[in-house]
Order: sequence, then C-alpha cells, then structure tokens
Amino acid sequence: GIQVEQSPPDLILQEGANSTLRCNFSDSVNNLQWFHQNPWGQLINLFYIPSGTKQNGRLSATTVATERYSLLYISSSQTTDSGVYFCAVRNKLVFGAGTILRVKS
Amino acid sequence: DTEVTQTPKHLVMGMTNKKSLKCEQHMGHRAMYWYKQKAKKPPELMFVYSYEKLSINESVPSRFSPECPNSSLLNLHLHALQPEDSALYLCASSQDAGELFFGSGTQLSVL
Repeated sequence: GIQVEQSPPDLILQEGANSTLRCNFSDSVNNLQWFHQNPWGQLINLFYIPSGTKQNGRLSATTVATERYSLLYISSSQTTDSGVYFCAVRNKLVFGAGTILRVKS
Repeated sequence: DTEVTQTPKHLVMGMTNKKSLKCEQHMGHRAMYWYKQKAKKPPELMFVYSYEKLSINESVPSRFSPECPNSSLLNLHLHALQPEDSALYLCASSQDAGELFFGSGTQLSVL
C-alpha cells in the first residue's frame, strides 16, 4: 500500500517562530489533506490541497504531486498552534504518523 | 454547516455490554467513515459506507458492527469488546472522494 511519511516527528518552537512541516508519499494521489488535532482530539481541517498552493491566515500549504510531497508552513506561531499535525492521502485513506508541535510562550 | 456530530463524547463499558456509537451529518455527503485512533497514533480506517452501502471493511473484528440507516446517520454497534479496543472512535463524511470532515469523536474505555 501507499506509504505516507511526515517530518519532523516532533517540533518545539518559541512563540513567534516560523516552521515547515513535510509530508512525503510513495505513490500518485488524487488529493491530500492537512489536519490539526487539538489536545481534545478534534481533527480540524486545515487544507484540502491535491496540488498547488493555498493560504489561510498564518498557514499556507503547497503540494507538488509530481514529486510526491506536500509542505505546511506555519508563520508567527502561537501557543494555540500546539497539537498534532497530520497529512492524509485521501484517495488511499491513509494518514501519516503526524508531527507533534509544541509552541512555548 | 460543516459539522459532523458524534454521541456520546465519552463511553465506559464492560466486556459483556452492548453499546452503540452514533454519528450524524447534514451536509448531504454520501460517504461516511469510521476511524479508530489509539493514543499517540494516527487514525486508522475501519469502515466506509458509500451511498448507504458498506464499501470498505478493513478486516475489523465482528464485535464491531457498522450500520447506515440513512444517508445522514452512521452507527457503530459494540459487543463483547476487549480492553485493547479502548480508543478514540472518529466518524467522518465526505462528498464522494472529496474533502473529509471529522466529528469530535467518542472516547471509549473498555473495562
């Protein structure tokens, strides 16, 4: 089956710092989503991004489907950004292992 | 409205109990999903319903029994569970193979 790898596995940031999370996948995909799972377990949709670049406030994402990777950019991080970030390859219904982000004030 | 509603939010059950998890969406989505998530792990797919028919069963034990009474509702019937079945159970929906929307989950503890 398709493999989805996320990096880094863990990340600690000082509030206000920027970061880039990466998602690599082993096969062609029809679409890809980024989620933020908050400490209460809720999976929040960040981006539905099969290809190209999207931006939403301090967050942006880029997927290069031909090279089989996607990037999530977080700028000016806040403590509320803490949690686990997952990418999921939708047409294969597979999640990556996630990146645990902790933002310190 | 992009809401998927799951009830109950928390459930504690014994190994001989029968209980049900419920999920509801009113987005007109025709695909609904059950995922299981253990602590510090990603969600894992259990079942997919498409147009109210079971389309994917990821070799889930028969003590988990899904049901899709109509296009807005999805149930997961639980019977004779084991302590290792304790987990967060997440429901999701999508319009065909489009963007997936999750509910807030049911935290299940099996004693």
